[in-house]
Amino acid sequence: DAGVIQSPRHEVTEMGQEVTLRCKPISGHNSLFWYRQTMMRGLELLIYFNNNVPIDDSGMPEDRFSAKMPNASFSTLKIQPSEPRDSAVYFCASRLKVLGGQVTYEQYFGPGTRLTVT
Amino acid sequence: ELKVEQNPLFLSMQEGKNYTIYCNYSTTSDRLYWYRQDPGKSLESLFVLLSNGAVKQEGRLMASLDTKARLSTLHITAAVHDLSATYFCAVDRGNQGGKLIFGQGTELSVKP
Repeated sequence: DAGVIQSPRHEVTEMGQEVTLRCKPISGHNSLFWYRQTMMRGLELLIYFNNNVPIDDSGMPEDRFSAKMPNASFSTLKIQPSEPRDSAVYFCASRLKVLGGQVTYEQYFGPGTRLTVT
Repeated sequence: ELKVEQNPLFLSMQEGKNYTIYCNYSTTSDRLYWYRQDPGKSLESLFVLLSNGAVKQEGRLMASLDTKARLSTLHITAAVHDLSATYFCAVDRGNQGGKLIFGQGTELSVKP
């Protein structure tokens, strides 16, 4: 299994530009999570999906951020327009929510996208 | 608002010594996670603790959960250099599971 795949791994952009981060969850997993990690704020959950449906987006910092999951194997996190304070590492994680009738909880993290907004 | 606090935040140990990292949280939860992160890398799941009194062990690491005290511990036995990393605990707040609130992380350095 390839694990969670994220692209790009590094992104440098100028303030005001649109940024799109991509995530492919582990095949068969039905929950997907977007996190942000910064030195100041640590690890924060931005949004998560169950079966492609957004369940909780209360962590999305503002309207400049949006996330979609058009199908079970792909999700995007978009920032428009980007600002320097958005610079962070963005992680995607996935989980198989139910296995053999039992709820499972372990989340598997992707390698992250390091975003720098200048 | 749920708060998750780890201590210590920095820990320098000698190889062969034992130590414990503490994770306190402010509201009720029955699910607690421990992750490891190497510098510049992703997070690796270590343990998922699902009930009061749960204890899990893997190699030199042992995690436990006391939901009444709202406390989890990660005990390191006979530390080795390979354990040097940052360790995070996270508490699950979602009704459907998955809304993780992370602690600040404990940066562990094991020196020969």
